[in-house]
Amino acid sequence: QVQVVESGGGVVQPGRSLRLSCAASGFTFSGNGMHWVRQAPGKGLEWVAAIWYDGSSQYYADSVRGRFTISRDNSKNTLYLQMNSLRAEDTAVYYCVTQRISDQDYWGQGTLVTVSS
Amino acid sequence: EIVLTQSPATLSLSPGERATLSCRASQSVSSYLAWYQQKPGQPPTLLIYDASNRATGIPARFSGSGSGTDFTLTISSLEPEDFAVYYCQQRSSWPWTFGQGTKVEIK
Repeated sequence: QVQVVESGGGVVQPGRSLRLSCAASGFTFSGNGMHWVRQAPGKGLEWVAAIWYDGSSQYYADSVRGRFTISRDNSKNTLYLQMNSLRAEDTAVYYCVTQRISDQDYWGQGTLVTVSS
Repeated sequence: EIVLTQSPATLSLSPGERATLSCRASQSVSSYLAWYQQKPGQPPTLLIYDASNRATGIPARFSGSGSGTDFTLTISSLEPEDFAVYYCQQRSSWPWTFGQGTKVEIK
């Protein structure tokens, strides 16, 4: 079955960096685009970034462009989100999401990032 | 960036009633609109994609309609498990964006 599992969250000081990982299994990772979506505590969903199946193109929300970098390693079936210059407003649960596969997409359980001094 | 506006913010209904949720885009998204359901403490679940196609395993009481800038999610008869927050998402152009959500609560 399709599974995506995020890791790497934690507490980090403002201005510092953090890298999230997403381990994928149960589908052809190298054939599918992937996304990161976040949700601040008690707030709505915010799409963050996307990457094509082969890593050739990346797209970002205006709020993270220039600070975050999405990447992937298809040999390891792993998606990454490098987050630099973190701000308090980046505090959120970060979800890894597959591109739609047939009639469904798949979300992980999320990893919490807290930016606080 | 395309802005999605959902209305109402909160919908108070009883089980068995019909729910009608609206999503309006600031510019045309053609039919590239999805609907998600989210329950507390859980990741969202895809309900509808491409405006009117039900995702795998989604009951027929959920239906989506619309194109261009105006979209509707209809729940024909609310079941107890349908009380949740619903989000629309456009996939027409980058960056993808979500609406702010509609909470369907028990009256």
